[in-house]
Amino acid sequence: AQSVTQPDIHITVSEGASLELRCNYSYGATPYLFWYVQSPGQGLQLLLKYFSGDTLVQGIKGFEAEFKRSQSSFNLRKPSVHWSDAAEYFCAVGERMIKAAGNKLTFGGGTRVLVKP
Amino acid sequence: DSGVTQTPKHLITATGQRVTLRCSPRSGDLSVYWYQQSLDQGLQFLIQYYNGEERAKGNILERFSAQQFPDLHSELNLSSLELGDSALYFCASSVAGLAVLDTQYFGPGTRLTVL
Repeated sequence: AQSVTQPDIHITVSEGASLELRCNYSYGATPYLFWYVQSPGQGLQLLLKYFSGDTLVQGIKGFEAEFKRSQSSFNLRKPSVHWSDAAEYFCAVGERMIKAAGNKLTFGGGTRVLVKP
Repeated sequence: DSGVTQTPKHLITATGQRVTLRCSPRSGDLSVYWYQQSLDQGLQFLIQYYNGEERAKGNILERFSAQQFPDLHSELNLSSLELGDSALYFCASSVAGLAVLDTQYFGPGTRLTVL
């Protein structure tokens, strides 16, 4: 079964500093990978996704992620963090459920980002 | 705003009761998904419907059921509620949902508190 691991439960970063959130996945086939952000009291907003092609993916709000097949990783980065980036970030892998002809997302446990002024 | 709407935003009820959560997908989306977010289990997939038919099932309890109506809105019914059912329930929608290439867009969630 596929799984997603986000090793860091909490990360504290100073405003203006760079941010990198780690994500490792376990999936037998070509993974379809996503990063979502959840601000306090809000739903999940899609930041970016990787399906195929260029392994460096650009997303919204200045975020990017790099897919590294050899390391089974899909780390999220932002060069300069703003106070509004304080939120919880979730990495997910999409799985096609062949028998059921449907699909689902499997999420990591999330990383909570705190931004210091 | 993802375009996915969920009602109600908050629900407080007692153990043993039954509640219904409602979701309206984005215009044009045929698939609806339900996820549960709890402190101990994290974000877990419950069930997917595509154009009115159940497509995929996750770790959904037998006390829970869902359906998707002809206008494509969906309802998640939770019965015989237990304290452990307290969680944030998300609905998501996608255009097709028959392949993982689909992107799922999430609603704001319904926070259920069982007392």
